Order: sequence, then C-alpha cells, then structure tokens
Amino acid sequence: GAGVSQTPSNKVTEKGKYVELRCDPISGHTALYWYRQSLGQGPEFLIYFQGTGAADDSGLPNDRFFAVRPEGSVSTLKIQRTERGDSAVYLCASSSGTSRPNEQFFGPGTRLTVL
Amino acid sequence: QKEVEQNSGPLSVPEGAIASLNCTYSDRGSQSFFWYRQYSGKSPELIMSIYSNGDKEDGRFTAQLNKASQYVSLLIRDSQPSDSATYLCAVNLRGTYKYIFGTGTRLKVLA
Repeated sequence: GAGVSQTPSNKVTEKGKYVELRCDPISGHTALYWYRQSLGQGPEFLIYFQGTGAADDSGLPNDRFFAVRPEGSVSTLKIQRTERGDSAVYLCASSSGTSRPNEQFFGPGTRLTVL
Repeated sequence: QKEVEQNSGPLSVPEGAIASLNCTYSDRGSQSFFWYRQYSGKSPELIMSIYSNGDKEDGRFTAQLNKASQYVSLLIRDSQPSDSATYLCAVNLRGTYKYIFGTGTRLKVLA
C-alpha cells in the first residue's frame, strides 16, 4: 500500500513568513510523529499524535511551531514568523500505535529553506 | 552525556566483510530499539527493531541488544557497496512516546 506522503517536497520562504507542511500517514496508522533533521544530525523529535490529540509536544522548540491533526489522519505542521534557523528537513512518520515494538515509517520529508 | 550515542564514522569495510555498527544509550529503562538506514538526500528507512536482550536476525542483518550494558549493535554480513549509507540508532524512552535518534554512523563499503 501507499507509504507516508509529505507535501511540498521543497519549500523556500523568506524570513518572517508563515509556512504549512502537510503529512499524510499510512492508512490505518493512528500514531503520527513530526521530526526535524539538520545536516549531519539524526532526526529530532518534535511532536507525537495518537489519533487527533497531541500526546507529546515537548519537542516543539517554541510557540512559533504548532501542529494539528483534526480528523486523526492528515497532519499539518505550522511555523509562524520563520527564522533562518528553522531551515531543515521536516520528516513525518507514522506507526500503527499498537504493535510492540512500535515501528515508525518515514515519509520523504519536506526540505524547508528560510532565506 | 547524550541520550543516544553513535560513532559518526566513516566506517570503511571491504565488500563481503561484516560491518559492525554500535550504539549506546543513557536511559536504563528504554524499552525498544531501532535501526534505520538513510541514504544521502533520502529519509530514514527502517531496517530492524528489537526489544528483548539477545540477537535478532533478518537476512544479512543481525541486531544485538544488551540492556545491562545499555548497548545495541547492528551487524551487516556480506556487506555490499549498496549498503553504503548512514545508519541511525533510535531508542524509545521509558514512559514516553519519544524516540531519540543518534547522529548516525556513516558506512562505506569498498568494492
């Protein structure tokens, strides 16, 4: 079946602008994760959804970052007043939420560049 | 101390050899452990998961977990040039939904 999809694949924006990044998880997966990856680093946890609710948003760096998943499927990561330091690859992953261990499968990522 | 530590490499092995990739973690209560492969410019791809002490084999890959030593490793037998990539170790922290990744080890398999 289809894997995790993310749009757009690339986003270039100017400092101070607002951006939205979209993730469509694997069908039936109840758990959804957002990560941020900078060059030479591993993915950095941002937020986790179980269903519609954010079960853990402790990785969001500040209040400019917000994510929603209103119907328990597609999720949108929203970044306000973007800064150059927000430039990174934003990865989304989903898992069934029930298996042990809880294996996550990643989408292709959105490369965000803030000029 | 970082929560998940990996040697950044590069680790160079000749084609056909065994590549051994190592990862240590700081949270003794961590329960689940994962190895991902990431090619340059691509997203991480799950190779294996393990949560019980001992070895788990899948084809040319073997994951080894030693909770007492807080150590997890990945062995790749009969290494191929196509195995050249960065290998990421991820750990599920006890009592949380967070997965903490190491910085990855870059593997080069020389033809």
